[in-house]
Amino acid sequence: SQTIHQWPATLVQPVGSPLSLECTVEGTSNPNLYWYRQAAGRGLQLLFYSVGIGQISSEVPQNLSASRPQDRQFILSSKKLLLSDSGFYLCAWSRRTDTDTQYFGPGTRLTVL
Amino acid sequence: DQQVKQNSPSLSVQEGRISILNCDYTNSMFDYFLWYKKYPAEGPTFLISISSIKDKNEDGRFTVFLNKSAKHLSLHIVPSQPGDSAVYFCAANNFNKFYFGSGTKLNVKP
Repeated sequence: SQTIHQWPATLVQPVGSPLSLECTVEGTSNPNLYWYRQAAGRGLQLLFYSVGIGQISSEVPQNLSASRPQDRQFILSSKKLLLSDSGFYLCAWSRRTDTDTQYFGPGTRLTVL
Repeated sequence: DQQVKQNSPSLSVQEGRISILNCDYTNSMFDYFLWYKKYPAEGPTFLISISSIKDKNEDGRFTVFLNKSAKHLSLHIVPSQPGDSAVYFCAANNFNKFYFGSGTKLNVKP
């Protein structure tokens, strides 16, 4: 069966510090990968998605970036965090041959102080 | 511009009664719709889906209805249970991209 991991589970960072969140998927090959953010009391905002290694599509202009160094690894980064970057970050995957359903990881709670 | 909308931020229902969660969309090109359930501090879990070629899909206590002409879908939970209390997101899939509503918080009272 497929599983998706995210770490860390929680993170408290000062403004201006860098960020690196990691997501890995097991049990499948060539997945589509996604990063979402859920701000407090808000819905899910798609940040990035990737259909292959090195292929990243950005949905929202911001100080975040994403990379996909390996087929089942997706990394969300920032060089300098802002207060507005606080939120709940979710990684998700879907099959390329069946893009109908998307499966989410457990999420990372990021607090920028 | 939000292409999937859930206009009710919250819903409170008595245990055993029906819960109806609503969702509207604007893009007629959407061909697959999903409902997710989310508990605090956890990732959303897939609940049920429906293809645009159908108008109803049922799975146990959960039924999703799709009205394409009205660009509207709904999730019915019958009977509602306290464990159903969570935030429910509807989503639409269009060419590898998933568009989510803002969620409806369901509270099922014992």
